[in-house]
Amino acid sequence: GENVEQHPSTLSVQEGDSAVIKCTYSDSASNYFPWYKQELGKRPQLIIDIRSNVGEKKDQRIAVTLNKTAKHFSLHITETQPEDSAVYFCAASIPEGDSWGKLQFGAGTQVVVTP
Amino acid sequence: ETGVTQTPRHLVMGMTNKKSLKCEQHLGHNAMYWYKQSAKKPLELMFVYSLEERVENNSVPSRFSPECPNSSHLFLHLHTLQPEDSALYLCASSQWLAEETQYFGPGTRLLVL
Repeated sequence: GENVEQHPSTLSVQEGDSAVIKCTYSDSASNYFPWYKQELGKRPQLIIDIRSNVGEKKDQRIAVTLNKTAKHFSLHITETQPEDSAVYFCAASIPEGDSWGKLQFGAGTQVVVTP
Repeated sequence: ETGVTQTPRHLVMGMTNKKSLKCEQHLGHNAMYWYKQSAKKPLELMFVYSLEERVENNSVPSRFSPECPNSSHLFLHLHTLQPEDSALYLCASSQWLAEETQYFGPGTRLLVL
C-alpha cells in the first residue's frame, strides 16, 4: 500500500524566513496531494493541494511543488509569521477502484515561528 | 467552523464502559470518515462511508463499531476499549468519495482508564 514519509518532524524558523517541508510517497499511481494545517487544539484544515498534472501551485505565501518522477512533494511557506505555527500534514491519495482515493497521511511537522 | 460537528468533545471511560461518539455534517456531503489521531503518528483512517454504505474498514478492532444512519450523521460505538485506544478521534466529510478536500470536525479527545 501507499506509504508517506514526512520530514522534518519539527521545524523552528525565525519570523520572516522561509519554511520547507518535504514528503515522499511510494505508490506511483497516487495523483492527489493535499496539505493540512492543524493549530493547537483545533481541527486539521486544508491549506493547499496539488494534482499530478501540475508541477507547482501557489497561493499567496504558500506553494507546493510536485516531482512525480522522484515521488516527492514539498510545502513552501515564505515570509513566515507567528500564526503559521502549527502542525502540517501532507497526504497522498491511494487510487483504488473507480477513481476514489483514500488518503494516506504523513506523521506531521511541528512548525514553530519565533518572533 | 460549524460545517462538521462532533460530540462529545471530551470523554473519559473505563475499559468496561460503552459509549458512542457522534459526528454531524451540515455541508450536504456524501462521504464521511473516522480517523484516529495519536501523538507523533500519522492520522489513521478507520472507517469510510459513502452514501451511507461502509466502503472501508481499515483493520480496526471490533471494539469499534461504526454506524451511518444517513448521509449527515456518523457514529462510532465504543465498548471494552483498551488504554492504548486513548486518542483524538476525528470525523471528516467530503462531497464525494474521491480525491478532494476532506473537512474535519473538531474531534473527540478520548481517555480510556
